[in-house]
Amino acid sequence: EAQVTQNPRYLITVTGKKLTVTCSQNMNHEYMSWYRQDPGLGLRQIYYSMNVEVTDKGDVPEGYKVSRKEKRNFPLILESPSPNQTSLYFCASSPYRDRFDTQYFGPGTRLTVL
Amino acid sequence: GQQLNQSPQSMFIQEGEDVSMNCTSSSIFNTWLWYKQDPGEGPVLLIALYKAGELTSNGRLTAQFGITRKDSFLNISASIPSDVGIYFCAGPRGAQKLVFGQGTRLTINP
Repeated sequence: EAQVTQNPRYLITVTGKKLTVTCSQNMNHEYMSWYRQDPGLGLRQIYYSMNVEVTDKGDVPEGYKVSRKEKRNFPLILESPSPNQTSLYFCASSPYRDRFDTQYFGPGTRLTVL
Repeated sequence: GQQLNQSPQSMFIQEGEDVSMNCTSSSIFNTWLWYKQDPGEGPVLLIALYKAGELTSNGRLTAQFGITRKDSFLNISASIPSDVGIYFCAGPRGAQKLVFGQGTRLTINP
C-alpha cells in the first residue's frame, strides 16, 4: 500500500531534550516536505527536499533541522525543543518537485514540549 | 510569510444545508488546491484548479478559480455528517513551496 508513515504519532517531551520525528514514504517520490499545523494558522511549511541531499527552508524553519540521505526518508530534528514548538506535524511527499496536486500527507505527529 | 486568508473560520450548519467558503490572497496564484482534513488524519486533496475562471466539481463539491487569480471558492451541496472536518485552501508559491489558508472548521448538526 502506497503511504507516508510518521513516527512517533504522539510525543510528550521536555524543553531542551533533542528529538527526531521520522518520515518514510514507499512510493519513490522525489519531493518531501514537513509542515506544522497550529490553530488559526493552518499549515506552514518548515523544510522541503527536492531529492537526496537537496533540502531548503520553508516559511518557519527556525529551531528545526532535516536531512535527506535516502530517497525514502526525511527525518525532522529538533535539537533543543521549546514550548513554542508544541504543534501537530505533517510530513508529505510527491512524485514531482513542482506538482503539489500529487502530494500525499502522512497521518501526523502530535508533539507537546513542556 | 505569505498567507492565504480563508473564511469563515468555522461553520455550524444543519445536515442538508449548502456550504460556501472562500480563500483570498494579495498575490496571484496559478493553481488553487482545496483539501479536507478529518479528525486525527492528514489533509486529503479534494479539488485542484489550474485556470482562472475554472469551475470544477467532485461529487457534491464544487470549486472555482477566481478570475482575478487572487481568490477561490468551495461549495458543498446538501451536507451530510461525513462532511465534518477542516477544509483548507492552498496554493504554490514559486515551484517548491506551498502556502495554506487558516482553515474552515465545519460542524454539522444532524
